[in-house]
Amino acid sequence: SQTIHQWPATLVQPVGSPLSLECTVEGTSNPNLYWYRQAAGRGLQLLFYSVGIGQISSEVPQNLSASRPQDRQFILSSKKLLLSDSGFYLCAWDPDDVSGNTIYFGEGSWLTVV
Amino acid sequence: GENVEQHPSTLSVQEGDSAVIKCTYSDSASNYFPWYKQELGKRPQLIIDIRSNVGEKKDQRIAVTLNKTAKHFSLHITETQPEDSAVYFCAATDSWGKFQFGAGTQVVVTP
Repeated sequence: SQTIHQWPATLVQPVGSPLSLECTVEGTSNPNLYWYRQAAGRGLQLLFYSVGIGQISSEVPQNLSASRPQDRQFILSSKKLLLSDSGFYLCAWDPDDVSGNTIYFGEGSWLTVV
Repeated sequence: GENVEQHPSTLSVQEGDSAVIKCTYSDSASNYFPWYKQELGKRPQLIIDIRSNVGEKKDQRIAVTLNKTAKHFSLHITETQPEDSAVYFCAATDSWGKFQFGAGTQVVVTP
């Protein structure tokens, strides 16, 4: 069966420090991968999505970046965090078969920038 | 691209009553409509979904209806219980297969 893992689960980072969140999917190949952010009490904002290795699409301008070095690995990064980067970050995947597949979310990473 | 609107943003119901959340979408080519439940501090989890070739789907106390002509779909929860308290998100996939989520509905079930 397919599983998705995301880490770290929580982190507190000072303003201006770098960030790296990692996500891996097991039990499938060539998945579509996503990074979402959720501010406290708010909706799901799509940050990045990827349909394959090295293929990243950005949905919103920001100081975050994403990379997909391997088929089932998706990394969210920042060189210098801002206070506004605080939130709940969710990695997600769906099988790249046909349109209309369910998205499955990772456990999420709570980021607090202080 | 697809635009999904969700109402209401908050919904308070008495335990045992029904709850209804409505969503509208803009892309007539959308063909898949999932609903997610997110408990506080946890990830959204799929609770029910419906495809465009079906008008209604039911799973125990939850049901989803789809009106393709009007481009809206709804989640119905009957006999609500305190554990139904959560944020619920609707979603639709656009013609490229990309998900677009609604803004979410905070459901509070009071005993």
